[in-house]
Amino acid sequence: DAKTTQPNSMESNEEEPVHLPCNHSTISGTDYIHWYRQLPSQGPEYVIHGLTSNVNNRMASLAIAEDRKSSTLILHRATLRDAAVYYCILRGGGGATNKLIFGTGTLLAVQP
Amino acid sequence: KAGVTQTPRYLIKTRGQQVTLSCSPISGHRSVSWYQQTPGQGLQFLFEYFSETQRNKGNFPGRFSGRQFSNSRSEMNVSTLELGDSALYLCASSLMGSGVRTDTQYFGPGTRLTVL
Repeated sequence: DAKTTQPNSMESNEEEPVHLPCNHSTISGTDYIHWYRQLPSQGPEYVIHGLTSNVNNRMASLAIAEDRKSSTLILHRATLRDAAVYYCILRGGGGATNKLIFGTGTLLAVQP
Repeated sequence: KAGVTQTPRYLIKTRGQQVTLSCSPISGHRSVSWYQQTPGQGLQFLFEYFSETQRNKGNFPGRFSGRQFSNSRSEMNVSTLELGDSALYLCASSLMGSGVRTDTQYFGPGTRLTVL
């Protein structure tokens, strides 16, 4: 399975945009890029996913580099509730499995 | 729709005992996966079930086992508990059963197991 690299931690101020980077230089052409986050004392929750084009949903935006070797999760206006560990995960084809391989993620701190 | 539920939420056991954790997936979801989360190892995949069949297993000893029932509810069992088994055990369910790369996993709140 292809691996991802994320910064260990980042800080943001409330109501400012946050850009969370993820490197995945060994991504294959069929790998989807998924983002999950884990709020304190909760299980992970799905945020967004994409393949090649930038994606938007009510929670965030996902910007994918043209060569797909990196991506950025964008929170447009951070709130205190967005303080969490954010995981960037590649989901590839081949094999009937829903297994997710979590890295260490990025711990996002949001200051009021 | 109710989310993924896990019982119990907290559990304290002693070394050598065995434990059974339960997971009820979202209604209509047929795939259930289990993960172990510890401060040292992070989130690690344990196993995955679909339609009562184990489809994938992580790198854990045979003391860790699981099963899925016909109503998609799942249980995992850990026998001969060790101190290192203290962890948050998370269950996730998904709609699709064929490893669809766009399928979303929905996680429960976890069961916090403490082994003394």
